[in-house]
Amino acid sequence: TQLLEQSPQFLSIQEGENLTVYCNSSSVFSSLQWYRQEPGEGPVLLVTVVTGGEVKKLKRLTFQFGDARKDSSLHITAAQPGDTGLYLCAGAGVNTGNQFYFGTGTSLTVIP
Amino acid sequence: EAGVAQSPRYKIIEKRQSVAFWCNPISGHATLYWYQQILGQGPKLLIQFQNNGVVDDSQLPKDRFSAERLKGVDSTLKIQPAKLEDSAVYLCASSPGVARTDTQYFGPGTRLTVL
Repeated sequence: TQLLEQSPQFLSIQEGENLTVYCNSSSVFSSLQWYRQEPGEGPVLLVTVVTGGEVKKLKRLTFQFGDARKDSSLHITAAQPGDTGLYLCAGAGVNTGNQFYFGTGTSLTVIP
Repeated sequence: EAGVAQSPRYKIIEKRQSVAFWCNPISGHATLYWYQQILGQGPKLLIQFQNNGVVDDSQLPKDRFSAERLKGVDSTLKIQPAKLEDSAVYLCASSPGVARTDTQYFGPGTRLTVL
């Protein structure tokens, strides 16, 4: 079992559509990060959310940390082909020895 | 500023052989991480160094994997002997501090294929 489950696993949408990716856990996290990874490259940090209920916006991307700090979501408005990639949530669980985990990943393809 | 460098980029070996990967972190970064990313999955932390000391190696298969970070700069990850299930991309990352919220900067990875 994975500590951080992401859904959906795969997503293929048309340019201009909106989408939401979810990151869920049964454990509490002190903070959660979202990364994007393109083929042949390492993940690149998009945002870190720290406070329960926190919402952060990065241009067309909106990130939310759940009130109980067990889940997070990433919403993309008007997706563009450049948004294509593997989206990963990651964090250190409060009750898991502070070990750092990545989520299972969501592979997004935006079709022009 | 130069990013995290890794070599080789690709490696193909047969099972039971040995292999080593090299990582040069961003200059001045205190923390260095090695991750294993199996195709279609998120990265799994293998080991975390702070300077040249090990902070977390709880998920490192110590019977076959070893890692060192001499002088608190470069690092090598070794697998001996390799198994088929070790086929994956091995990512190295570094961060300037030690906090879990610090940004981790990743290298391009080494893609290992074990035949």
